[in-house]
Amino acid sequence: ETGVTQSPTHLIKTRGQQVTLRCSSQSGHNTVSWYQQALGQGPQFIFQYYREEENGRGNFPPRFSGLQFPNYSSELNVNALELDDSALYLCASSLAAADNQETQYFGPGTRLLVL
Amino acid sequence: LAKTTQPISMDSYEGQEVNITCSHNNIATNDYITWYQQFPSQGPRFIIQGYKTKVTNEVASLFIPADRKSSTLSLPRVSLSDTAVYYCLVGANSGGYQKVTFGTGTKLQVIP
Repeated sequence: ETGVTQSPTHLIKTRGQQVTLRCSSQSGHNTVSWYQQALGQGPQFIFQYYREEENGRGNFPPRFSGLQFPNYSSELNVNALELDDSALYLCASSLAAADNQETQYFGPGTRLLVL
Repeated sequence: LAKTTQPISMDSYEGQEVNITCSHNNIATNDYITWYQQFPSQGPRFIIQGYKTKVTNEVASLFIPADRKSSTLSLPRVSLSDTAVYYCLVGANSGGYQKVTFGTGTKLQVIP
């Protein structure tokens, strides 16, 4: 067990709706990253938060947004859901390290189905 | 951002040693190499991480040659429960953040 938890485990939404996914980081970690994993593909980096600020972003549109809270938990928000947003959404926490030896620990994911 | 190349799939019999090689020709000086294991519908699980030469832990070994353009994950005496997808990652610390890029991974099938 990594100590990273995500909720909900499964979710069904319809096109155009909005969704919020939640992540609780491993104790002591100050950085959280979010990934989208489509069926049969590797996880794709969405963005990363460090000390409540977005600290890097992958190739995802602005309707994907996030928050990190003072306790380092995090939310991923997706507006105007599209069918292609159906995927496993993964949260990973880490402790930012100056020597770049930063290891990410993943949660179990939230399975989102958009109909 | 360093790109990685791995075999798409591998089969192995139970009890054998499995070696999965990953190519990362444009690895940067500061990059570390990390391997993850993923079971269906679960989050990736950290296996091992290294910078050069050899790293060993309780589940695997990681061999990295001097030029660091490739790495090999070695799983000793695999069992059926090792059937999973294995990802090789090279971290890029760009602009002060760690952007981790997953490839398609290697699907390992362990056969009884």
